[in-house]
Amino acid sequence: NAGVTQTPKFQVLKTGQSMTLQCAQDMNHEYMSWYRQDPGMGLRLIHYSVGAGITDQGEVPNGYNVSRSTTEDFPLRLLSAAPSQTSVYFCASSYSLAGGVEQFFGPGTRLTVL
Amino acid sequence: SQQGEEDPQALSIQEGENATMNCSYKTSINNLQWYRQNSGRGLVHLILIRSNEREKHSGRLRVTLDTSKKSSSLLITASRAADTASYFCATDARYGGSQGNLIFGKGTKLSVKP
Repeated sequence: NAGVTQTPKFQVLKTGQSMTLQCAQDMNHEYMSWYRQDPGMGLRLIHYSVGAGITDQGEVPNGYNVSRSTTEDFPLRLLSAAPSQTSVYFCASSYSLAGGVEQFFGPGTRLTVL
Repeated sequence: SQQGEEDPQALSIQEGENATMNCSYKTSINNLQWYRQNSGRGLVHLILIRSNEREKHSGRLRVTLDTSKKSSSLLITASRAADTASYFCATDARYGGSQGNLIFGKGTKLSVKP
């Protein structure tokens, strides 16, 4: 089991460029989510999905799009990058959203927008 | 907005000492979780305590929950240099149509000196 994988590990973008952060899990988890972590802050939820074809917004969704066509993959798209999106992005998954279960985190993608 | 707030923000102790971190939250919860993050890594789940539990143990970890005070504490006994990390509490929250997403605090940075 690879768990939760994220690519790339590092990325530098110029303002206005677009890119997709990849996230995949091999645990057959229904729930997947994206967080961003800024210096000295906890994690803030961007978008989440409770199953293939179902996505919803979290606390800070503006500037980001997601889709979930398969159980395994949950990509995060930045359509027009802004310096305020410089952050470390974490993808997480769990087998369920209900009932309080642990989430498994990927290693993160460190994104810099110039 | 963060629901949980950890205290202290930073803690430095000697190996062998106990480390205590506190978390306060604002609204009622179904459960509370603690996670550890080593520098430059993703988060790793440590322990979950449900709202009807008052104390829980896992190895050298002891978590307490006081729902009347809306607070939790994490105690690490006989700390080791390998415990050096940031520790986050997370409570369940509702975003969109789903209950159960996690809201993270800003974390306590623990440094254990050999």
